[in-house]
Amino acid sequence: AQKVTQAQTEISVVEKEDVTLDCVYETRDTTYYLFWYKQPPSGELVFLIRRNSFDEQNEISGRYSWNFQKSTSSFNFTITASQVVDSAVYFCALSEAIKAAGNKLTFGGGTRVLVKP
Amino acid sequence: DAGITQSPRHKVTETGTPVTLRCHQTENHRYMYWYRQDPGHGLRLIHYSYGVKDTDKGEVSDGYSVSRSKTEDFLLTLESATSSQTSVYFCAISESRGERNSPLHFGNGTRLTVT
Repeated sequence: AQKVTQAQTEISVVEKEDVTLDCVYETRDTTYYLFWYKQPPSGELVFLIRRNSFDEQNEISGRYSWNFQKSTSSFNFTITASQVVDSAVYFCALSEAIKAAGNKLTFGGGTRVLVKP
Repeated sequence: DAGITQSPRHKVTETGTPVTLRCHQTENHRYMYWYRQDPGHGLRLIHYSYGVKDTDKGEVSDGYSVSRSKTEDFLLTLESATSSQTSVYFCAISESRGERNSPLHFGNGTRLTVT
């Protein structure tokens, strides 16, 4: 069975500090897809990024960056120069095939990030 | 924003009563999902649907049933609610075109309290 582990349950930083969220996954698939979602205090789930297993290039989007390392089964997420608006719960997820060529996501337990002014 | 509406947004019910949560989409996506969110567990899949009248169980399906009679609607029913089903329930949709890389887009959630 697939599994996603986010060992950090909560991280507290002061504004402008960098924060890295760890995600470790387990899968027997040779091709797979990883995702990050953000859940701000308002409660909605926002899709941030998708990464496939055959592309190990790191990705940067503004203050967000992602480090995918297949050798260690990790897909870590860094927020650079954090801001109060980054306060949220962040989820890492792993895709798995379902019937009729669809997919479902297996989520980690989430990491709550609190950015203090 | 993905066109997903969950109703009701909040509900309080008593143990042993039946409860139905509704998810309505305007995107005409084939795949629909019900997840529950509990502290420390992230989101866990209850049931999903891959077409009208086509559904399957997820990892925490005990005590829940679903139905999908139209593409746009996916209902989650708790036949006899228990306190352990107190949770936030999220509906999600996906267009998935067979590559397993489709993100799920979520509704705003339903907070259910079973007293």
